[in-house]
Amino acid sequence: NAGVTQTPKFRILKIGQSMTLQCTQDMNHNYMYWYRQDPGMGLKLIYYSVGAGITDKGEVPNGYNVSRSTTEDFPLRLELAAPSQTSVYFCASMYEKLFFGSGTQLSVL
Amino acid sequence: QQPVQSPQAVILREGEDAVINCSSSKALYSVHWYRQKHGEAPVFLMILLKGGEQKGHDKISASFNEKKQQSSLYLTASQLSYSGTYFCGTETPGGKLIFGQGTELSVKP
Repeated sequence: NAGVTQTPKFRILKIGQSMTLQCTQDMNHNYMYWYRQDPGMGLKLIYYSVGAGITDKGEVPNGYNVSRSTTEDFPLRLELAAPSQTSVYFCASMYEKLFFGSGTQLSVL
Repeated sequence: QQPVQSPQAVILREGEDAVINCSSSKALYSVHWYRQKHGEAPVFLMILLKGGEQKGHDKISASFNEKKQQSSLYLTASQLSYSGTYFCGTETPGGKLIFGQGTELSVKP
């Protein structure tokens, strides 16, 4: 099994650009999460989903959007990228524990 | 509200023990513990469920006081490989899982 797959691994955006971070899991988990981690800091919850068609805001949702049309996919959309969104983004699915993707390192310049 | 971890950092010699604490102001469904090494995704250590069930690593133990919404992670006979940043994650009913600010653990030879 591939587990949780995130793409891309690295991305540089210009201020004002938009992009979608892809996340897919093949474990049929209902719960999925998006976190961001700034250098030397903890994980901050952006959005989460407890099943297809259901999403909810986390601690830091401003500037982001998500959708969950299938159990497998949970993409994160950044609209009008800002330097404050420079971070490492982790997607995770959960069944008894979190299964993390390998992360996306995003720089907004 | 973000769970609070203490201490923020700890330095040990190999073979010494450590305790990391985590407290929340909200009623919890479960407490998770993860370890993260620099540049990597967090790795699951332990989950403690409301009602007393525990699942996790053989060499690491933890406690969960449901009444006080507090958890502690016990690291005994530390090894060099225990170095990293430890995060507690608190899950509330409904699936929201947020993390504390982290405890940086360094084990020296």
